[in-house]
Amino acid sequence: EVHLAESGGGLVQPGRSLRLSCAASGFTVSDNYMSWVRQAPGKGLEWVSVLYSGGSRDYADSVKGRFTISRDNSKNTLYLQMDSLRDDDTAVYYCVTNGLGTSLAYWGQGTLVTVSS
Amino acid sequence: EIVLTQSPGTLSLSPGERATLSCRASQSISSSNYLAWFQQKPGQAPRLLIYGASSRATGIPDRFSGSGSGTAFTLTISRLEPEDFASYYCQQYHGSPWTFGQGTKVEIK
Repeated sequence: EVHLAESGGGLVQPGRSLRLSCAASGFTVSDNYMSWVRQAPGKGLEWVSVLYSGGSRDYADSVKGRFTISRDNSKNTLYLQMDSLRDDDTAVYYCVTNGLGTSLAYWGQGTLVTVSS
Repeated sequence: EIVLTQSPGTLSLSPGERATLSCRASQSISSSNYLAWFQQKPGQAPRLLIYGASSRATGIPDRFSGSGSGTAFTLTISRLEPEDFASYYCQQYHGSPWTFGQGTKVEIK
């Protein structure tokens, strides 16, 4: 059974950094597309980044140059390094993987990131 | 970027009624029909309902169905159950960046 568990969220000041982790089980992270999707309080869903099985990466324009997606195959874990955080990065961040012929099939429960002074 | 526009923003219906949700894309995704629908309840992660515009995900009841092609897509819930009152989002994975519609909230009338 696919399971994703995010961690690392919290309160951080604008301009600072934070690293989110997503521990996966039931499948191999390096064999799948791994994505981050976020949801600001009371708002809709926004795709943030994807790391493909071959190693290529893609980012939303809103985070390009500030966020970095990566994985540790030995730990079967996905990461999101978030630098130069802004107030509008405040959101619940979900770790998501592909399956069933679609890009965003299995979701973690999310971790809340609050950027505020 | 492919912009997805969902309508209506809110749908007020009673249990047992039929719900029809619309999702329109700013450009055609007919070559792939890479269009998915998600359900989200307050405080929970989204759940995949439909992928490839019309294929139900594992464990999704057959009262949920997806249809459409090109730029116009529809999610239909044939008879609303109490647990179906939630927000619904469409999402395209035809081109980068992957994008979501703004959502439709189905509420109890």
